[in-house]
Amino acid sequence: NAGVTQTPKFRVLKTGQSMTLLCAQDMNHEYMYWYRQDPGMGLRLIHYSVGEGTTAKGEVPDGYNVSRLKKQNFLLGLESAAPSQTSVYFCASTDSTPWDEQFFGPGTRLTVL
Amino acid sequence: AQKVTQAQTEISVVEKEDVTLDCVYETRDTTYYLFWYKQPPSGELVFLIRRNSFDEQNEISGRYSWNFQKSTSSFNFTITASQVVDSAVYFCALSEANFGNEKLTFGTGTRLTIIP
Repeated sequence: NAGVTQTPKFRVLKTGQSMTLLCAQDMNHEYMYWYRQDPGMGLRLIHYSVGEGTTAKGEVPDGYNVSRLKKQNFLLGLESAAPSQTSVYFCASTDSTPWDEQFFGPGTRLTVL
Repeated sequence: AQKVTQAQTEISVVEKEDVTLDCVYETRDTTYYLFWYKQPPSGELVFLIRRNSFDEQNEISGRYSWNFQKSTSSFNFTITASQVVDSAVYFCALSEANFGNEKLTFGTGTRLTIIP
C-alpha cells in the first residue's frame, strides 16, 4: 500500500496562475482533508470531504476549491494563486470516523512569486 | 469552538534529560478525542497517540508517556531519557466527536531540539 500520496512534491507559480494539487489514498478511507502549514501556525484545515462527492469548508477556505469525484482522490485547486498561498500543503485521510488517526501525505511545497 | 494551545514554541534539552510538552485544549463537547503527532525534520507527520475524553488513564509507550487531565483540560506529553532522534516539531490536536463537525484542530506546535 502506498498510503497517501501527493502530486506534485514541489511547485513554483507566478501570481495569478492556477494549479491543482492531487491527493490519492489507497486505503479506501471515507474522509479526506487538505491542510496548509505555515511557520508558527501549525496545520490549518482548508477543506475536507466526508465521502465521495462531498466537500466542506474548513478554517481557511478562501482562494481554494476542492473536488472529490472519486473516493480515492481529493483535488485542491488554486484558481488565481497569490503570494499568501505560499505554504506547505498536506493531505490526510481517515478511515470510518473523522476522529480516527489521520494518515498524512508527504506534503507539497508551493511557492507563489 | 474547539481550540488547542501549545504555549511552548521551542524547547531545547540535553540528551538523556526528560522533557514535557504541554497541551491545553478548549471544547464544549463532552465527547472528544485528543492526539499527538510528530513532525521530524524530514517533514512527514507521524501519529503518536489518540485518547478519548472518557479515558483519563495515563499512557506509557517506551520512553513516551501522556498525562490526560480533564480537570485542567490538559494532555501533556513527556519524553523520558531524550534522544537526538526525538528532535522534531510536536503537535497536539483535538477532534470533537460529532458528525457535522468533522475537523481536527491542531495547536501551533512545539519545536523540540535535543542537544547531543
